[in-house]
Amino acid sequence: NAGVTQTPKFQVLKTGQSMTLQCAQDMNHEYMSWYRQDPGMGLRLIHYSVGAGITDQGEVPNGYNVSRSTTEDFPLRLLSAAPSQTSVYFCAIRDRVGSNEQFFGPGTRLTVL
Amino acid sequence: DQQVKQNSPSLSVQEGRISILNCDYTNSMFDYFLWYKKYPAEGPTFLISISSIKDKNEDGRFTVFLNKSAKHLSLHIVPSQPGDSAVYFCAASTNFGNEKLTFGTGTRLTIIP
Repeated sequence: NAGVTQTPKFQVLKTGQSMTLQCAQDMNHEYMSWYRQDPGMGLRLIHYSVGAGITDQGEVPNGYNVSRSTTEDFPLRLLSAAPSQTSVYFCAIRDRVGSNEQFFGPGTRLTVL
Repeated sequence: DQQVKQNSPSLSVQEGRISILNCDYTNSMFDYFLWYKKYPAEGPTFLISISSIKDKNEDGRFTVFLNKSAKHLSLHIVPSQPGDSAVYFCAASTNFGNEKLTFGTGTRLTIIP
């Protein structure tokens, strides 16, 4: 998956717990994004970053927090998990120049009880 | 409001025949389109893209056609192979380099040997 690693692969949380989904890349790409995939809804953009220190909201940002202190890492924080956040989460990277294709990590499957 | 629609949740095609996957969009500001393929428990992988200044783009067995007036694009796979069995997502952005990809809901393609 194009030098993108996501941890953990699986996670079960109780409602109200917090956690951080990790995304790391070794390709020195400037652009990083978080998506969630739900049945029947495709992938939806949560937050994205165009470089270290710069983040912005996507389509479904509520309940999630991000920061980008380095080029390599883009963690996604769930502040107080809710059952509606049960989903598969994908991190994606893209080079600033050249093609517009985003390369996705293998995903984290999160269940909130 | 689903701005990118894939109206066929599933499609079955005989091996060796042509597979045609369809995608419609409603936002006239979309001008760059991508197709992704996804296997179970993996992240989506980029297949092929097309800019709105073109009406066709070809890469090996994969061809994408864009009809701007109809706001419709299609992915042709010929000949279809068993390894093509996957979920295919259509995605769109409002300009080249825009991080905000809007995805369709996906079509599950099954190639019958």
